[in-house]
Amino acid sequence: KQEVTQIPAALSVPEGENLVLNCSFTDSAIYNLQWFRQDPGKGLTSLLLIQSSQREQTSGRLNASLDKSSGRSTLYIAASQPGDSATYLCAARRGGNEKLTFGTGTRLTIIP
Amino acid sequence: DTEVTQTPKHLVMGMTNKKSLKCEQHMGHRAMYWYKQKAKKPPELMFVYSYEKLSINESVPSRFSPECPNSSLLNLHLHALQPEDSALYLCASSQRDLSSYEQYFGPGTRLTVT
Repeated sequence: KQEVTQIPAALSVPEGENLVLNCSFTDSAIYNLQWFRQDPGKGLTSLLLIQSSQREQTSGRLNASLDKSSGRSTLYIAASQPGDSATYLCAARRGGNEKLTFGTGTRLTIIP
Repeated sequence: DTEVTQTPKHLVMGMTNKKSLKCEQHMGHRAMYWYKQKAKKPPELMFVYSYEKLSINESVPSRFSPECPNSSLLNLHLHALQPEDSALYLCASSQRDLSSYEQYFGPGTRLTVT
């Protein structure tokens, strides 16, 4: 059974700093991995999706990497802004299956 | 347009009520999903519809009844719910394209069972 873990559960950093969020998964047979952000009481916003054959994806100030062999993905946020404050969730999809397994989330606070 | 809409935004219902949640997408996606999310927890998958047919039921109690009338619309019918069913209910959709399966989520319905 796939288990996805995100450490730390909460992170506070000053505005302007670069930061990395971590995601670990136990079953390396994933089809793809998706990063989301969620604002309090809101739905999930898709940030980046990495296919199993890719090593990284970039969108603006965000860069996500994937290392299947070590069971890890990271989300790098450059030049953080207060508007980046949210909970960040990673989710792994098993090959040929439509089910996403979500991580436990990292609650990020950017301090102005 | 990458929008998934959900109605209502908030719903308060008694344990004897019958209500329905509605989800709609116009992206041509052929897979649609219902998730339940409790506070400070990740979403938990409830149901998956693929080409309007139920493909995954994660052992959800029968008081939750999904329906997919067409490829754009997904309903969740609620009956005889319990207070512990209070949660944020999220709908999502995705292509059934082998190169993607990227899921797009709606804003959710905040359900309170009294």
